[in-house]
Amino acid sequence: EVQLVESGGGLVQPGGSLRLSCVASGFTFSSYWMSWVRQAPGRGLEWVANIKQDGSEKYYVDSVKGRLTVSRDNAKNLLYLQMNSLRAEDTALYYCARGIGGGTTWGYWGQGTLVTVSS
Amino acid sequence: EIVMTQSPATLSVSPGERATLSCRASQSVSTNLAWYQQKPGQAPRLLISGASTRATGIPARFSGSGSGTEFTLTISSLQSEDFAVYYCQQNNNWPLTFGQGTKLEIK
Repeated sequence: EVQLVESGGGLVQPGGSLRLSCVASGFTFSSYWMSWVRQAPGRGLEWVANIKQDGSEKYYVDSVKGRLTVSRDNAKNLLYLQMNSLRAEDTALYYCARGIGGGTTWGYWGQGTLVTVSS
Repeated sequence: EIVMTQSPATLSVSPGERATLSCRASQSVSTNLAWYQQKPGQAPRLLISGASTRATGIPARFSGSGSGTEFTLTISSLQSEDFAVYYCQQNNNWPLTFGQGTKLEIK
């Protein structure tokens, strides 16, 4: 059974940093693109970042470029999101997600970890 | 960036009736379009990929159609568990984008 479990969320001041983690199990982690998707409180879904199987390609939504960095450790089945220079608008539930097949249609989601950026 | 626009924002339908949700892309996404269902406090659930292919375990009352810029999700006979928010998402171009969602509520 595919499982994705996020951690690392919390309350952080504007300008601060946080690192989110997602541990994957039940599939060959190194064979899949992985994604971060977020949802601000009471709002819709927003794709944040994607990383290729070997980490050689990364894509980001414009609003996080230069501040958030996606990475992975295939030996440990871990996906990360390093979040720097955080802003109030980054406040959201952050989901780790895996595509079906090799793509970016997300058939598997974690339960999310909440990041709150506030002073 | 491809903008995805869903309509209506809220749809009120009685159980047993048919619901039709629309999604429009600002430029062609071919059939690289997915639909998700989200209930309060839960992660999204994939319903449809490739515009019309039901995901594993999704009941046959859910169907998707369309290509290019116009897409439709149809729920043929609404069950109580279908009342939720529905999102479309394109994966044809970076950045990947979602529609703003349609809330399907009980009439």
